[in-house]
Amino acid sequence: AQSVTQLDSHVSVSEGTPVLLRCNYSSSYSPSLFWYVQHPNKGLQLLLKYTSAATLVKGINGFEAEFKKSETSFHLTKPSAHMSDAAEYFCVVSEGNYQLIWGAGTKLIIKP
Amino acid sequence: DGGITQSPKYLFRKEGQNVTLSCEQNLNHDAMYWYRQDPGQGLRLIYYSQIVNDFQKGDIAEGYSVSREKKESFPLTVTSAQKNPTAFYLCASSINRANEQFFGPGTRLTVL
Repeated sequence: AQSVTQLDSHVSVSEGTPVLLRCNYSSSYSPSLFWYVQHPNKGLQLLLKYTSAATLVKGINGFEAEFKKSETSFHLTKPSAHMSDAAEYFCVVSEGNYQLIWGAGTKLIIKP
Repeated sequence: DGGITQSPKYLFRKEGQNVTLSCEQNLNHDAMYWYRQDPGQGLRLIYYSQIVNDFQKGDIAEGYSVSREKKESFPLTVTSAQKNPTAFYLCASSINRANEQFFGPGTRLTVL
């Protein structure tokens, strides 16, 4: 059975410092993996997706994520945080059966 | 401009009333979804539809109903049987299985 664990409910970083949001998954097959971002009271926007091509995936707004099969991880990173990055981030796994399995979310706080 | 629209943005309902949330997409996607989001939680799937005139229950379908008479439209009715309907409701669509989902801006429903 699929599952997704976001290891931190909140992450706080200073503006200009690196961001790391951690995600571990379990899947019986080769999964598709996604990161979505949600700003307060808004819908969700796709940041990036992994679908068995390159293991390092680049997304929008300077974010990237690395698929590590041996560690069953898909952590999201950004070299330098910006105030506009403050939002909630969701890691998602899919085995192609129309149902996405959502992590509980990580709230990213940016300190000035 | 392609996308997903949801209306209304805010909705207030008295206890015991049914209410219908609108979701329309012009992306020509076959699949559509309804999710519920509660504070501090990830998304939970209510219903999904893979094609017109067909839909399946998700994880929390009790107290909700849907229809899919047109490819573009997937309205959700929150019935009086839903015991705790106050939440943020998100509609999404995708082109086919395993592809990423695109989200509308959401409807915040409050029961008075």
